Amino acid sequence: DAKTTQPNSMESNEEEPVHLPCNHSTISGTDYIHWYRQLPSQGPEYVIHGLTSNVNNRMASLAIAEDRKSSTLILHRATLRDAAVYYCILRDVGTDKLIFGTGTRLQVFP
Amino acid sequence: GAGVSQSPRYKVAKRGQDVALRCDPISGHVSLFWYQQALGQGPEFLTYFQNEAQLDKSGLPSDRFFAERPEGSVSTLKIQRTQQEDSAVYLCASSWGSGGATYEQYFGPGTRLTVT
Repeated sequence: DAKTTQPNSMESNEEEPVHLPCNHSTISGTDYIHWYRQLPSQGPEYVIHGLTSNVNNRMASLAIAEDRKSSTLILHRATLRDAAVYYCILRDVGTDKLIFGTGTRLQVFP
Repeated sequence: GAGVSQSPRYKVAKRGQDVALRCDPISGHVSLFWYQQALGQGPEFLTYFQNEAQLDKSGLPSDRFFAERPEGSVSTLKIQRTQQEDSAVYLCASSWGSGGATYEQYFGPGTRLTVT
């Protein structure tokens, strides 16, 4: 399975934008890029996913590099509730399971 | 609507005891997954069901771990003769589809198992 590399931790102030990077240099053509986050003492929750084009939803935006070797999850205005571990996951079209790494722990300060 | 529920939320077992962890997926969801999360780590895949069929159990760490989903809805993860290294949070997730990389998984709150 293709691997992802994320920074261990990042910090942000409330109401500022946050850009969470993910490197996936060995991505294959059939890998989708998924992001999940895990709030303290909760199970992970889906954030967003994409294949080649940038994606937007109510939670976040996903910017995918043209060569697909990296992507960035964008939280447009961080809130205290966004403090969580964010996981970038590659998921092959034929794979149902999720393979998590260690993710990026995002701290948000008031 | 109701999300994925798991019970018990916390379980303390003495080493050597058997435990059973229950997962109630979202109604109508075809796929069900079990993950194990050690402290400070990301979740690790254990096993996967499509309806009642267990299609992938490659992540089960030993033959002490057994999962079932007999009627294609509720699932039980059983751990026999628990050991201290089994201490972890056990997460259940479900999704409405299968066989595609776009279906999102909905996770339950997890069961925290502590083996003493």
